[in-house]
Amino acid sequence: DTAVSQTPKYLVTQMGNDKSIKCEQNLGHDTMYWYKQDSKKFLKIMFSYNNKELIINETVPNRFSPKSPDKAHLNLHINSLELGDSAVYFCASSQDWDRGRGNEQFFGPGTRLTVL
Amino acid sequence: AQKVTQAQTEISVVEKEDVTLDCVYETRDTTYYLFWYKQPPSGELVFLIRRNSFDEQNEISGRYSWNFQKSTSSFNFTITASQVVDSAVYFCALSLYSSASKIIFGSGTRLSIRP
Repeated sequence: DTAVSQTPKYLVTQMGNDKSIKCEQNLGHDTMYWYKQDSKKFLKIMFSYNNKELIINETVPNRFSPKSPDKAHLNLHINSLELGDSAVYFCASSQDWDRGRGNEQFFGPGTRLTVL
Repeated sequence: AQKVTQAQTEISVVEKEDVTLDCVYETRDTTYYLFWYKQPPSGELVFLIRRNSFDEQNEISGRYSWNFQKSTSSFNFTITASQVVDSAVYFCALSLYSSASKIIFGSGTRLSIRP
């Protein structure tokens, strides 16, 4: 029944490793997102995909690469992890009305990434 | 540039008190959307409300109410008769029609309701 799901919920890894976070939504939405929430709770968008097309790419290091195999999935792969990548990563989705403009976004439970 | 300011970093009130969370936004666009989200201690983000820039009607949903005033660029959120379960971080957010689906979040207000 979960609308937006993410795996894993917790991820602890060493600097320099490569890791992936998976996201799936069963809401039939066409737009999906990745957000980063830092230790001060500040939320910032990283990427947005509409129908598997990248429509938002904020200033994110290219070590971060989103992949959307289909419109229900948006995975986040991170290469060469750094200490500063430690954060909570949220996936979200929204209805595809005019490429997601103005529609509320539904968030996954978050993945807490800790880089040691 | 667009911006959302939540000046109140933390608020603590006793249960049953009313509390208002302030949100001020900045944009030159005429078509935009405003949101409130709740993040309880469990960590998930819960959508509460969306308003578009052409709809200044205030909204009430149970103990929650929202006051949108374009003249002051504010979208304030009031909880009436607060309960301990209202304890959470509340985010105000702004999305511009011109910026596809990008949402800009405020820094959040941590609300603690004491029994």
